[in-house]
Amino acid sequence: KAGVTQTPRYLIKTRGQQVTLSCSPISGHRSVSWYQQTPGQGLQFLFEYFSETQRNKGNFPGRFSGRQFSNSRSEMNVSTLELGDSALYLCASSPAVAREQYFGPGTRLTVT
Amino acid sequence: GESVGLHLPTLSVQEGDNSIINCAYSNSASDYFIWYKQESGKGPQFIIDIRSNMDKRQGQRVTVLLNKTVKHLSLQIAATQPGDSAVYFCAENKIGTDKLIFGTGTRLQVFP
Repeated sequence: KAGVTQTPRYLIKTRGQQVTLSCSPISGHRSVSWYQQTPGQGLQFLFEYFSETQRNKGNFPGRFSGRQFSNSRSEMNVSTLELGDSALYLCASSPAVAREQYFGPGTRLTVT
Repeated sequence: GESVGLHLPTLSVQEGDNSIINCAYSNSASDYFIWYKQESGKGPQFIIDIRSNMDKRQGQRVTVLLNKTVKHLSLQIAATQPGDSAVYFCAENKIGTDKLIFGTGTRLQVFP
């Protein structure tokens, strides 16, 4: 089975721009979660989708949003980028909500 | 954001020795726990999980111990190898919630 894939792997954006990151879960997995990882804050939960519905959201501003499609693929969007949004964004999929999650390689976002 | 990860303790062990990585979890209502390994430039990789109705679970060269009385989780790695060098995270899932809460990572360094 193919693992979780994320595109793009690396991205450089300018402050004020917006960005869309994509995640394809493991085949058959219906739950997709997104995390932000920074050296200072560690792994922070962004949101989780199950069957196209957002089931949980972390404590991030409204600039961070996401969605899930009928094929379980998910996208997250960050609008009006700030320097502090520079991070590794990780997607994880699970066959069941919140249990054994499998992570993708992440998208490294740099905001200049 | 909701997470723990401000300081990264480091464990240095000699190749061939056993390693023990500890984690204190926050919520006595958590019923599921996972250990992840994250190598540089990669997403977290699932190692082993344990449910709250167990106090020990063994995998290949790894053992997870759960002490619910003191809310403590440990990961034991037998005969540590250079390839085990990575950051290790524990994560907990509380009954009735849909997200994993990650603990502070521990960097494991294996020297010859």
